[in-house]
Amino acid sequence: AQSVSQHNHHVILSEAASLELGCNYSYGGTVNLFWYVQYPGQHLQLLLKYFSGDPLVKGIKGFEAEFIKSKFSFNLRKPSVQWSDTAEYFCAVNARDSGAGSYQLTFGKGTKLSVIP
Amino acid sequence: DVKVTQSSRYLVKRTGEKVFLECVQDMDHENMFWYRQDPGLGLRLIYFSYDVKMKEKGDIPEGYSVSREKKERFSLILESASTNQTSMYLCASSLTLSGPSSYEQYFGPGTRLTVT
Repeated sequence: AQSVSQHNHHVILSEAASLELGCNYSYGGTVNLFWYVQYPGQHLQLLLKYFSGDPLVKGIKGFEAEFIKSKFSFNLRKPSVQWSDTAEYFCAVNARDSGAGSYQLTFGKGTKLSVIP
Repeated sequence: DVKVTQSSRYLVKRTGEKVFLECVQDMDHENMFWYRQDPGLGLRLIYFSYDVKMKEKGDIPEGYSVSREKKERFSLILESASTNQTSMYLCASSLTLSGPSSYEQYFGPGTRLTVT
């Protein structure tokens, strides 16, 4: 079974600082990769996803992530964070060739981001 | 826009009660999922369903059951609620497709269940 590790439980940044949130997964087959975000009091929503092709994917609100297959990583980045980016961020992996379970997502434990104005 | 709705935002139940959590999606999605979200543990899959009347156990099915009688509705049942089932419950749905639109899950707002 696949697993997802997010390295940081809580990250605190000042506005305009650069962000990188780490995500590593363990699965040797073909994967889809996702970052979801949960703003305070709101439901989970998709930030960006990698399916195939260019390993650098761009999402909403200026976020991007890079898939490095050799490192089993899919780190999330943003060059300059804003107070409104305060949220919890979840990395998720889908193992595309795992039969009936191929539509499952396995989530990491999440990283809380607090941005100080 | 895909909409996933859950019957209650907040629910308080007593230990031993039978609890029903309802989820409805309006986009004709084949797959539906129930997760629980706990601080520091992320989202853990309880059950999922890839078709009407079909269900598969997730990572933590113990103490739960599910029902999917109609494509748009997926119910989570706590047969005898216990205090360790106090949690946020999230429902999600997704399409069965090939290509980039597949596998992406759409989430409901969640039900915060407290069992006393």
